Amino acid sequence: GDSVTQMEGPVTLSEEAFLTINCTYTATGYPSLFWYVQYPGEGLQLLLKATKADDKGSNKGFEATYRKETTSFHLEKGSVQVSDSAVYFCAFETSGSRLTFGEGTQLTVNP
Amino acid sequence: NAGVTQTPKFQVLKTGQSMTLQCAQDMNHEYMSWYRQDPGMGLRLIHYSVGAGITDQGEVPNGYNVSRSTTEDFPLRLLSAAPSQTSVYFCASSYTQGVEKLFFGSGTQLSVL
Repeated sequence: GDSVTQMEGPVTLSEEAFLTINCTYTATGYPSLFWYVQYPGEGLQLLLKATKADDKGSNKGFEATYRKETTSFHLEKGSVQVSDSAVYFCAFETSGSRLTFGEGTQLTVNP
Repeated sequence: NAGVTQTPKFQVLKTGQSMTLQCAQDMNHEYMSWYRQDPGMGLRLIHYSVGAGITDQGEVPNGYNVSRSTTEDFPLRLLSAAPSQTSVYFCASSYTQGVEKLFFGSGTQLSVL
């Protein structure tokens, strides 16, 4: 069935380090792909998305590229900040009315 | 603009009790949905609605009821609470009838004893 596999957390980095959070998916066809972020005590917010193969989504210094051949959508940031500490969720559009989410990856950035 | 408002933020129930989690949005969004978030499992869709008067089941609908009498409101009812329903519940909405960009509320932490 449809599923998302995310890199296990938690991830702890120092400020200005490079970040990669891996995400792979199993789905029928070529769904739209998303990264959502959840800051402490808040609901999820859309961070970036890509709707077709080779598209690159980007926002706030984060990037992810839709790789059809590896069914992956890895999240990257060149230099993380303390304010990036949050839980990151990879997701894809299962149908027009629902998303399938990964289990989330907790990121902690230390000064 | 308040966005998506969920109440209450925290709730403790005893097994067998019923309650309603409230969700309201002021963005005139057609699509609304309820997710539950459990450790190690991400978010799972409970019910969703693509417009007033229309609801449908998601991945984990058992034990929950919804209705959509207005565009703004989408309450989630727990009919007879069970410990397995201990979770964080999120309401989300979107201006289209799909999930292109979901706006989430801040969540309701529910504990069933």
